[in-house]
Amino acid sequence: GENVEQHPSTLSVQEGDSAVIKCTYSDSASNYFPWYKQELGKRPQLIIDIRSNVGEKKDQRIAVTLNKTAKHFSLHITETQPEDSAVYFCAASRGSNYKLTFGKGTLLTVNP
Amino acid sequence: DVKVTQSSRYLVKRTGEKVFLECVQDMDHENMFWYRQDPGLGLRLIYFSYDVKMKEKGDIPEGYSVSREKKERFSLILESASTNQTSMYLCASSSTPDYRGNEQFFGPGTRLTVL
Repeated sequence: GENVEQHPSTLSVQEGDSAVIKCTYSDSASNYFPWYKQELGKRPQLIIDIRSNVGEKKDQRIAVTLNKTAKHFSLHITETQPEDSAVYFCAASRGSNYKLTFGKGTLLTVNP
Repeated sequence: DVKVTQSSRYLVKRTGEKVFLECVQDMDHENMFWYRQDPGLGLRLIYFSYDVKMKEKGDIPEGYSVSREKKERFSLILESASTNQTSMYLCASSSTPDYRGNEQFFGPGTRLTVL
């Protein structure tokens, strides 16, 4: 089955800096790659996703890049703010079977 | 607005008890999922269902079963609870993939403690 590795497990940045979280996946048939954000005590929520026919996608301060050949994808957050502090999960899916395989998460702390 | 609700936020049970965790979604989603979340281990899929009365094992189904008698409701059952099942349990639902992808919408979670 699919295996998703996520790094780093913790990341601390100063407000205004950029943050990058990286994931690799094992199943070359995976074609959908979402990122979820989970604030402390809250439920995970989708923040951005990318499909395998696209190399990059941006939404304001958040971007995701995908390298299908290397089987890795990354989340980039620019101009970080304290409210970006949360656990971020990457995931991969074949799409057709609806199932997501999640990475183990990255705890991002943005220091004011 | 998608709403996924879970029957309890906190639950304390004793070893050997039968435990029912219930999840309800109000968006007519076909797919429903049960995960457990443990520190450092992320979200691990226990079971999922893509239709009423259909179920498939996820990555860690041992010690669990599920029931989906109605489209909006998906129950997770611990036949005989054990202390290693102490965890946060998250339910999620999604529609059949279309151009929007298969975003999963999560419930608030149930923190289960087995003594």
